[in-house]
Amino acid sequence: ELKVEQNPLFLSMQEGKNYTIYCNYSTTSDRLYWYRQDPGKSLESLFVLLSNGAVKQEGRLMASLDTKARLSTLHITAAVHDLSATYFCAVDPTSGTYKYIFGTGTRLKVLA
Amino acid sequence: DAGVIQSPRHEVTEMGQEVTLRCKPISGHNSLFWYRQTMMRGLELLIYFNNNVPIDDSGMPEDRFSAKMPNASFSTLKIQPSEPRDSAVYFCASSFGLVAEQFFGPGTRLTVL
Repeated sequence: ELKVEQNPLFLSMQEGKNYTIYCNYSTTSDRLYWYRQDPGKSLESLFVLLSNGAVKQEGRLMASLDTKARLSTLHITAAVHDLSATYFCAVDPTSGTYKYIFGTGTRLKVLA
Repeated sequence: DAGVIQSPRHEVTEMGQEVTLRCKPISGHNSLFWYRQTMMRGLELLIYFNNNVPIDDSGMPEDRFSAKMPNASFSTLKIQPSEPRDSAVYFCASSFGLVAEQFFGPGTRLTVL
């Protein structure tokens, strides 16, 4: 059974600090997506990672993908309050099922 | 450009009633996905369509759930009869191709009393 695990599940951090969210998955895949969800809102696409070694950056967020380790990271640099949200990774297995498998989500709270 | 449109945004109904959720995908997208989100189970894929054809409905919880896509710009998810455990947020997403970034609608928050 395909599993997508994120850690930590909850993260409370001070403004200005750096931290990394991890997304581990249990099957082969070379496509991984990161989404952001604000409370009561929909999912907003952040990054699309389509190959081993892919790195994408947008503002204070940087995502990377290591398909050999089956690991993606979402790094937060100098966090600000506006980054408070839940972050999901989603894996698109290469088995041909075309089904995103979402991680459990990481609820991030940035304290002023 | 308009994103994925869902209606209604909120639905409150009583157990046993029929519920119909609607979705209009992004124009030009040919794949459509229905998800359900709950605190206990997270995000679950219920069913997806490609070129209006259902490809995989293995995530549909039981026969009370059905989905249709009569044309490229409209899909429905129906629950009949509804039960309190169906209470959740239902998202529709669309993409251009099955292997592509999915764009999510605002969701329908369903409460079954």
